[in-house]
Amino acid sequence: AQRVTQPEKLLSVFKGAPVELKCNYSYSGSPELFWYVQYSRQRLQLLLRHISRESIKGFTADLNKGETSFHLKKPFAQEEDSAMYYCALGGLSGSARQLTFGSGTQLTVLP
Amino acid sequence: NAGVTQTPKFRILKIGQSMTLQCTQDMNHNYMYWYRQDPGMGLKLIYYSVGAGITDKGEVPNGYNVSRSTTEDFPLRLELAAPSQTSVYFCASSYPHDRRGSGNTIYFGEGSWLTVV
Repeated sequence: AQRVTQPEKLLSVFKGAPVELKCNYSYSGSPELFWYVQYSRQRLQLLLRHISRESIKGFTADLNKGETSFHLKKPFAQEEDSAMYYCALGGLSGSARQLTFGSGTQLTVLP
Repeated sequence: NAGVTQTPKFRILKIGQSMTLQCTQDMNHNYMYWYRQDPGMGLKLIYYSVGAGITDKGEVPNGYNVSRSTTEDFPLRLELAAPSQTSVYFCASSYPHDRRGSGNTIYFGEGSWLTVV
């Protein structure tokens, strides 16, 4: 069975400080991992995916298969980063049926 | 391009009532999904569909039914509403493969807040 764990329900940092949102996964196959973000009063949207190795809005995430982690990082947090962040695990590549979400981390960036 | 549209946005139901949450997408996506999000919990998959005429149960299908008569529409029906179905419901859609071959991007609707009293 696949599982995604986000250990922090709430995370607060000051503006300009580094931020790391933790995500650990459990999956026996080759994982596909994503970060989704939900800003206040907006729909859930894709932030980034590990396969693209991209940086979006200053955020990066590296897949660490040894530690089964996909932590989301940003060196200098901004107030507009305040949002709910969900880590998601896709099963077989191309199998949208297997997408499993973590419980989410509410990030608050304080002025 | 409207993306994924859900209606209604808010609804209060009495125990035992039935209702349908509507979902439509205009991106010609094959895959569609219904998730529910309970407070402090992640999104849980209720039902999904890989194409018109095909539906499958997700993690928490009990108390719900779906149909997929067209590519665009994927309504979710609650037959006998129960307080445990108080939740936020999200409809979503995707291609089976991202067109750039870089994974499945799932597009979400804005959510439907349902309260059963």
